[in-house]
Amino acid sequence: AQKITQTQPGMFVQEKEAVTLDCTYDTSDPSYGLFWYKQPSSGEMIFLIYQGSYDQQNATEGRYSLNFQKARKSANLVISASQLGDSAMYFCAIISGSARQLTFGSGTQLTVLP
Amino acid sequence: DAMVIQNPRYQVTQFGKPVTLSCSQTLNHNVMYWYQQKSSQAPKLLFHYYDKDFNNEADTPDNFQSRRPNTSFCFLDIRSPGLGDAAMYLCATSRGLGQKADEAFFGQGTRLTVV
Repeated sequence: AQKITQTQPGMFVQEKEAVTLDCTYDTSDPSYGLFWYKQPSSGEMIFLIYQGSYDQQNATEGRYSLNFQKARKSANLVISASQLGDSAMYFCAIISGSARQLTFGSGTQLTVLP
Repeated sequence: DAMVIQNPRYQVTQFGKPVTLSCSQTLNHNVMYWYQQKSSQAPKLLFHYYDKDFNNEADTPDNFQSRRPNTSFCFLDIRSPGLGDAAMYLCATSRGLGQKADEAFFGQGTRLTVV
């Protein structure tokens, strides 16, 4: 079984500041992937960033970076220079197992303040 | 061009009347997922297919069934919808080959209303 935990139901950040969204995971499969998705109020699920369990370096995609600490089983998302359009729900997700089960955390609602 | 297409976008069904939601993909992906998402909650995995292999989540009610007649299409059948089944239903696909090939592509969802 696999599990994703997001302990921050809501976060606030000032525009242009950086923010870290927390995610911890648990899986017995040595081959797994971690994702972050953004879901604005429109409901679409937008892929942000991916980190593979065998990746040596932390993933980065533009203003998004993933702070991957394998020993601690954490995969925190860092958003730099927050913009008003970043206000949305953010989900951390894990995929593992031979059947590639994809499980989501409970999400963090991020609000960027002007 | 949309790669994962869900039809319809909005579905209203009567309490207890069977309903089918559909998902199609042009990506030729191996894995297709069905999620139920209620307001302000995380997507909850109902089941998924890896090719023809069906994987049911332990807590998915028997009221929910799925079919995948071919690589491109997957259906979610709700045999007797209750008021508690009103939600957004999301379909997603993935190559399922590990590492970045695991990225899931989502459809726009079907919002189900039960009256």
